[in-house]
Amino acid sequence: AQTVTQSQPEMSVQEAETVTLSCTYDTSESDYYLFWYKQPPSRQMILVIRQEAYKQQNATENRFSVNFQKAAKSFSLKISDSQLGDAAMYFCAFVNRDDKIIFGKGTRLHILP
Amino acid sequence: DTAVSQTPKYLVTQMGNDKSIKCEQNLGHDTMYWYKQDSKKFLKIMFSYNNKELIINETVPNRFSPKSPDKAHLNLHINSLELGDSAVYFCASSQVGGHDREQYFGPGTRLTVT
Repeated sequence: AQTVTQSQPEMSVQEAETVTLSCTYDTSESDYYLFWYKQPPSRQMILVIRQEAYKQQNATENRFSVNFQKAAKSFSLKISDSQLGDAAMYFCAFVNRDDKIIFGKGTRLHILP
Repeated sequence: DTAVSQTPKYLVTQMGNDKSIKCEQNLGHDTMYWYKQDSKKFLKIMFSYNNKELIINETVPNRFSPKSPDKAHLNLHINSLELGDSAVYFCASSQVGGHDREQYFGPGTRLTVT
């Protein structure tokens, strides 16, 4: 069975600094997708970034980038120049070929002014 | 235009009652989902429907019954509500086999059972 592990329940970062959220997953499949979702206090789930497993290049979206290590089954999220609006729960998610999504337990990110 | 909408956003009810949550998507997706997010923020899939056909049915009490009248709608009916059903319920949609596999979420329904 596929699993997704986020080992950091909470993290804090100073505004304008860089923070990395970790995520590891377990699967025997070779074709899958990985996502980071953000859930601010409004509780809306917002897609931050996606990575296709067949792509070696790490995905980047403005201040958000991932470090995708397929062999190590690791998918960490780096947030550069952290802003107050980045404060939220961050969920790592794995989607297999059958489109079944599995979420990690989340990391609550605090931004310190 | 809202992509995935849910009604109501808040629902407070007493134990033993029956309630429904409605979900609609205007993205033209063929698959819709229900998730439950508990008090510890853990998100777990409950059901998924593809073109009105039940695809995923996780271990959920049979008091929960999804209904999909068409591929743009997926409603969740809950019978004999219990205290443990209190949670936030999210509807989502995606296009199976789509190149991005992204799931688009509704705003969630906070259900409180007293």
